[in-house]
Amino acid sequence: KAGVTQTPRYLIKTRGQQVTLSCSPISGHRSVSWYQQTPGQGLQFLFEYFSETQRNKGNFPGRFSGRQFSNSRSEMNVSTLELGDSALYLCASSTGLAAYNEQFFGPGTRLTVL
Amino acid sequence: AQSVAQPEDQVNVAEGNPLTVKCTYSVSGNPYLFWYVQYPNRGLQFLLKYITGDNLVKGSYGFEAEFNKSQTSFHLKKPSALVSDSALYFCAVSSGTYKYIFGTGTRLKVLA
Repeated sequence: KAGVTQTPRYLIKTRGQQVTLSCSPISGHRSVSWYQQTPGQGLQFLFEYFSETQRNKGNFPGRFSGRQFSNSRSEMNVSTLELGDSALYLCASSTGLAAYNEQFFGPGTRLTVL
Repeated sequence: AQSVAQPEDQVNVAEGNPLTVKCTYSVSGNPYLFWYVQYPNRGLQFLLKYITGDNLVKGSYGFEAEFNKSQTSFHLKKPSALVSDSALYFCAVSSGTYKYIFGTGTRLKVLA
């Protein structure tokens, strides 16, 4: 079974631009979560989608948004990029919404904002 | 509020020695506890989890973890460390109310 894939793997943007990241979950997984990983803050939860609906949201500004499609693929968008948005963005999928489900992570998209 | 603490930024251990990576948590309700490992330029990989039942949980690559409710801890252990175990380890807690709070990570360095 193919793992979680994320595209692109690397991105360089400038302040003020916007960016869209893509995630394809493991086949059959319907829950997709997004995390921001930085050296100083560790992993911070952004949001979780299930059946095309946002089910949980972390403490990030509205510049961060996402969506999920009917095939469970998900996209994350960051508008008006700031230098502090430079991070590794990780997508994770799981079979469902239950809190005891383990998550399967993609390799991440490394975003650099100049 | 729900939180996870990994008190050690880095743990050094000699190859062949036992290793312990510490994790304590604070959560209301029954916690589900997880350990993940991250190798350079990779995403996180699931190692093991505690849901209920036996306090000693066995996982991938010879790792195990012990759930201690009175000490609110979930330390990761391995009887004999390998150089290839060197990586970044994350503890996470989840519950019915909150989803997935991660610790800040502990870098494990196994010395040959």
